[in-house]
This record gives sequence, C-alpha cells and structure tokens, in this order.
Amino acid sequence: AQSVTQLGSHVSVSEGALVLLRCNYSSSVPPYLFWYVQYPNQGLQLLLKYTSAATLVKGINGFEAEFKKSETSFHLTKPSAHMSDAAEYFCAVSDPKAGGGNKLTFGTGTQLKVEL
Amino acid sequence: DTAVSQTPKYLVTQMGNDKSIKCEQNLGHDTMYWYKQDSKKFLKIMFSYNNKELIINETVPNRFSPKSPDKAHLNLHINSLELGDSAVYFCASSPGRRGNTEAFFGQGTRLTVV
Repeated sequence: AQSVTQLGSHVSVSEGALVLLRCNYSSSVPPYLFWYVQYPNQGLQLLLKYTSAATLVKGINGFEAEFKKSETSFHLTKPSAHMSDAAEYFCAVSDPKAGGGNKLTFGTGTQLKVEL
Repeated sequence: DTAVSQTPKYLVTQMGNDKSIKCEQNLGHDTMYWYKQDSKKFLKIMFSYNNKELIINETVPNRFSPKSPDKAHLNLHINSLELGDSAVYFCASSPGRRGNTEAFFGQGTRLTVV
C-alpha cells in the first residue's frame, strides 16, 4: 500500500524567506507524486507533479519540488515566500498501474503561515 | 466558466435524512471522483467512475451511493445521514484513469449533520 507522510502540520515563515514543506512517500513501485494547495473554503489546485520524467519539477507560483528516490522524498520549496502563499498544502501519491484509476493517497497536510 | 462544479456548496440537515450532492464537469474528462475531507482536513477517496463505470469503491458505508448518468456528471446520494458524515465532500475529474493524470477539484460541499 502506498502512503505519504508530511512532517510538520504547521509551518511558519517570514515574507521573503525560503519555504520548505516536507513530504516522504512509501511505495513498492516508483510512484507518481503531486503537490496540491488548498486556500480557505476552496477546492484543491495542483501545484506540480512528478511522473518519472525530470526529478526537479517546477510548478505554478514559483514552487518546485525534487524527487529523491534514495530518500523517498518529494519536498516542496519556494525561494521567497509571499503573503498569498498562506494556505494548506497536500502531498499525494498515486498508483502508477495503468487503468487502476488515479486514486490519490494524500498526506495529512501542512498549514503554511506567512508573517510580515 | 467553472470546470468542476458542485451543488450545493453548503448543506445542513438532520440525522436520518437522505440528501444528494451533484457534480458536473465541463472539461470533457472521462474519469470522476468523490473525496471526503474530515474535520482534521484529511482527504480520502470514496469512489471513482470512468465513462459511467465504477472503477474505485473504497470502504464506504452502503448508505453512500454514487450515480453517474453520463461521463460529465457524478452525483452522490447519502441515505440515513449520521453525525459522522459531517465533512467536506469534493468532486474531482481527470482526463484518464492512469495514475499520472492531474485531478481537477470542485469547490467542495460542506455537509453538516445535526
């Protein structure tokens, strides 16, 4: 079974500081990995995804993530936080087997707070 | 032009009632999903349909029954509502059923059972 662990349910950074949100996965096969963002009272929006191409993935709003197989990690980073980045961030893993339906298994989420 | 739309956005109802949540997508996707987000914001898949065929059915009480009249619609009917059903329910769709496809989410339906 696949699973995702997000370390730190709450992360607080200053505006302009580096954002680092941690995600570790467990999977018996090379997985597909996703980061989604959820703003208050909104649905989830895809930030970026890893699907076995480049290990460094660039997403929207200046975010990027690096797939590290040796560390089973897919941490999300942004060089300079903006107030508008304050939201809940979810890491998710999906089964790469074709035809199985894109069943996303989510982590427990990390609430990012950006302070002035 | 909303891609994945759910109605209603808020639903407050009494225990024991039956209610439905509707979902429509105008993206031309073949696959649709229902996810449940609990009070701790944990998200878990409930069902998935591909071209009106049920392909994922997680361990969900029989009181929950999805219905897909066509590939653009996936409704969720809940019988005999219980307090523990209170959650935010998200509909989503994706272009295919492979694991590398992006899921597009609706705005969610906040269900409160009193």
